[in-house]
Amino acid sequence: GQQLNQSPQSMFIQEGEDVSMNCTSSSIFNTWLWYKQDPGEGPVLLIALYKAGELTSNGRLTAQFGITRKDSFLNISASIPSDVGIYFCAGQDSNYQLIWGAGTKLIIKP
Amino acid sequence: DTGVSQDPRHKITKRGQNVTFRCDPISEHNRLYWYRQTLGQGPEFLTYFQNEAQLEKSRLLSDRFSAERPKGSFSTLEIQRTEQGDSALYLCASSPNPSPDLNEQFFGPGTRLTVL
Repeated sequence: GQQLNQSPQSMFIQEGEDVSMNCTSSSIFNTWLWYKQDPGEGPVLLIALYKAGELTSNGRLTAQFGITRKDSFLNISASIPSDVGIYFCAGQDSNYQLIWGAGTKLIIKP
Repeated sequence: DTGVSQDPRHKITKRGQNVTFRCDPISEHNRLYWYRQTLGQGPEFLTYFQNEAQLEKSRLLSDRFSAERPKGSFSTLEIQRTEQGDSALYLCASSPNPSPDLNEQFFGPGTRLTVL
């Protein structure tokens, strides 16, 4: 079963707002990956983090690898309608296997 | 398009029938993974290949499931005697050989299986 705790489970945002989500684990991971999945599609890689403390940006997205190697967060600044979707964190263990969170669903308020 | 491709995108079958899915990874990616995803959950690991060798299988992969990657390129996942509980999105991913500084898996669009 899954070993990552991803929160929040869902978020209702207004266009232009900043968004923050995070993942925590009881285990240490060597890599954290953040993916976005649109309905009917496979996950698309957003950001990969390889070193504890690493802070990486990809456009309006910023993610950090926690110093304890047991957590990571993803921020989205100035959200736009196409940001809607489900965001997954995944931690890579020492065997290079990915352990996945349950996802954070991002919804735009009408 | 040089991404991961999967075929078919959708499959509807009756309980008890056999189904086979195909995955074509990104060229020269040594590793190929199969995952299963149900609604509201992240992908669950099923199995992976390093070239043509199947190196690990999850406990989720019952005897009814079999995967092959005969030439180290495309892979097939077969489910025999399908059950309603097999209904899910079956995802394939590929990656180059992983290292401490690089392990990014790239996913295909998935095959949506519905067992009636």
